[in-house]
Amino acid sequence: DTAVSQTPKYLVTQMGNDKSIKCEQNLGHDTMYWYKQDSKKFLKIMFSYNNKELIINETVPNRFSPKSPDKAHLNLHINSLELGDSAVYFCASSQGRTGSQYFGAGTRLSVL
Amino acid sequence: KNEVEQSPQNLTAQEGEFITINCSYSVGISALHWLQQHPGGGIVSLFMLSSGKKKHGRLIATINIQEKHSSLHITASHPRDSAVYICAVTRGGATNKLIFGTGTLLAVQP
Repeated sequence: DTAVSQTPKYLVTQMGNDKSIKCEQNLGHDTMYWYKQDSKKFLKIMFSYNNKELIINETVPNRFSPKSPDKAHLNLHINSLELGDSAVYFCASSQGRTGSQYFGAGTRLSVL
Repeated sequence: KNEVEQSPQNLTAQEGEFITINCSYSVGISALHWLQQHPGGGIVSLFMLSSGKKKHGRLIATINIQEKHSSLHITASHPRDSAVYICAVTRGGATNKLIFGTGTLLAVQP
């Protein structure tokens, strides 16, 4: 069983569309994260939830909205997609805010 | 200037060589992480350390808190070690968010 699973793996869409990426972890962790990896492979935190509470909300356009229905899931919804949103998005989880993080396989988003 | 700097950015080695990747940071941290990203894109956490040294197989990670420096060593390198190695630090505090270095692309040639 995959510990942290993201769907879809690839997402190709047109500018202006709305899309969602789902993330689920079966590790029993209480903290989940969304990261963005740009074309230069640089990773940056976007959001983090601890026990369904938003604890990190970096300078991200409000077109991006995370939702955590329970501790095992953290979904990312993106409205009005723009070309600059093209990137690889990684979900991760940890036990507590100080535990080692386990990453999903990533979702490659291409906005045309 | 990034809060986390890695060197070198690119490294090519011959199979069997001893490899060192360096990481320097300029902020107070609660822990330092070494991550590995394979060409397929997946990210794996290799080490999390806040002092001293950790070893796992052929990989060794060290950290010097006073000098704000960490090194990742690979002994007896193998082509399957070819990947991007990323250093990251957690700042501590209420959020404990990860701040990443720009990564080191390692290619080990047979």
